[in-house]
Amino acid sequence: DIQMTQSPSSLSASVGDRVTITCQASQAISKFLNWYQQKSGKVPKLLIYDASNLDTGVPSRFSGSGSGTDFTFTISSLQPEDIATYYCQQYDDLPLTFGGGTRVEIK
Amino acid sequence: QVQLVESGGGVVQPGRSLRLSCAVSGFTFSNYGMHWVRQAPGKGLEWVTVMSYDGNNLYYADSVKGRFTISRDNSKSTLYLQMDNLRAEDTAVYYCAKDRGISARPGTLHHWGQGTLVTVSS
Repeated sequence: DIQMTQSPSSLSASVGDRVTITCQASQAISKFLNWYQQKSGKVPKLLIYDASNLDTGVPSRFSGSGSGTDFTFTISSLQPEDIATYYCQQYDDLPLTFGGGTRVEIK
Repeated sequence: QVQLVESGGGVVQPGRSLRLSCAVSGFTFSNYGMHWVRQAPGKGLEWVTVMSYDGNNLYYADSVKGRFTISRDNSKSTLYLQMDNLRAEDTAVYYCAKDRGISARPGTLHHWGQGTLVTVSS
């Protein structure tokens, strides 16, 4: 199975800050990496697919990059509504696997 | 709009069975691969199983292989998860999720249901 290592596990930042989360795959997965947002008590929501493509309706302050084994998720200007846990997920191979999640809080 | 509605969760004793359903609307069910994903209380996301759009291809996580069975009825636009020999560690919210599309590589969980809680406890 492909292991996904996400860091940090949590972070605290101020409104307007740039926030970066990294995700590393245990083997190369090309661009087959998704990012999801899960707000407390809510359903996960797809934000980014194919490592860098924003899903429809996702604000442009969210972005993703990377390929192979190393990926980055960025919020360019943190907003209060971005408080959530973010997960990366690979789909290069089955079983699909998720990173452990990054909890983002407002400082 | 796309809707996925899970049902069938509840409290069940270890070793017993439960069947989850996921009724969908707002898209042509028979064109999309469908997944089950679970989330134990306070934990992260764990993918469970997938079935291709036509039911011909399916795959399970090792943690449920031999105990869980995914199926679909395209005439009813409904996905199922038969869960047998349940264990305490199967306690979780179970989500059904729709794949992004037949033109896309399988494995992007584009739309999710609201989830149904399964609690395995004596």
